[in-house]
Amino acid sequence: QVQLQESGPGLVKPSGTLSLSCAVSGASMNSTHWWTWVRQPPGKGLEWIGDIYHRGNTNNNPSLKSRVTISIDKPNNRFSLKLTSVTAADTAIYYCARGGLGKRQFDYWGQGTLVTVSS
Amino acid sequence: DIQMTQSPSSLSASVGDRVTITCRASQRISTYLHWYQQKPGKAPKLLIYEASNLQSGVPSRFSGSGSGTDFTLTINSLQPEDFATYYCQQGYSAPPYTFGQGTKLEIK
Repeated sequence: QVQLQESGPGLVKPSGTLSLSCAVSGASMNSTHWWTWVRQPPGKGLEWIGDIYHRGNTNNNPSLKSRVTISIDKPNNRFSLKLTSVTAADTAIYYCARGGLGKRQFDYWGQGTLVTVSS
Repeated sequence: DIQMTQSPSSLSASVGDRVTITCRASQRISTYLHWYQQKPGKAPKLLIYEASNLQSGVPSRFSGSGSGTDFTLTINSLQPEDFATYYCQQGYSAPPYTFGQGTKLEIK
C-alpha cells in the first residue's frame, strides 16, 4: 500500500522560506512516477506547484516564478519542497502526491498539511 | 496555460439521482483528463483517469467520457457518500498541470 506523509512547520513568517518534506512508503522512488506537490488555499481550489522525477528532472509552476525548489532523497524515500519569499497568499494546505509518468494522474496523496504565513 | 472550466460550480441533488458534471479545456488535450473527489478535510481522491478509466476501488456508478476539449463525469444513483466537491485536471501540458475550479455537489 502506497502511503505519503507530509511534515514540516505549520507557521512561517512573511518573507521566510516554507520547507516541507514528504515521506513515501510502499513504493520505490525509482519507479516511473513523478513526485508532486499540490496546494489548496483554505476554501479554494487546487493548484499544482511542481514535480520531480527520480533522475532529478523537475517542473515548476511558472506562477510561482523561481521561488520553488523540489528535491529528492532516494535513500531515505522522501522528497521535499522549498518555497521562498512567502506571503499570506502562500497560506494553504500543501499536499504531496504521486503522478503518473505519461498523463500525470495523481493516484496517491498525503493527507495534507496546513501552512500558515503570518508574523 | 491550459484553462479548465467546470460547470456547474455547484449542484443540488437527491440520493438516487443521476448527475453530470462538465469540464471544458481551453485547448485540445486528447484524453489527458482526470477526475477527483474531495471531501471536507480530506485529500483529493482519484476517481477517473484518462477521461474514462475507473480507478481501482471506485464504484461503477462513476463514469467519465469525452476527448479533445469537452469531458463529463457522470454519477448514477447518487449515494450519501458521494456528496463532495469534484475537480477535473488536465495532464496534457505543463507547466503547469491545471485543475478546474471545482463542482460542489450538495444534498437537496
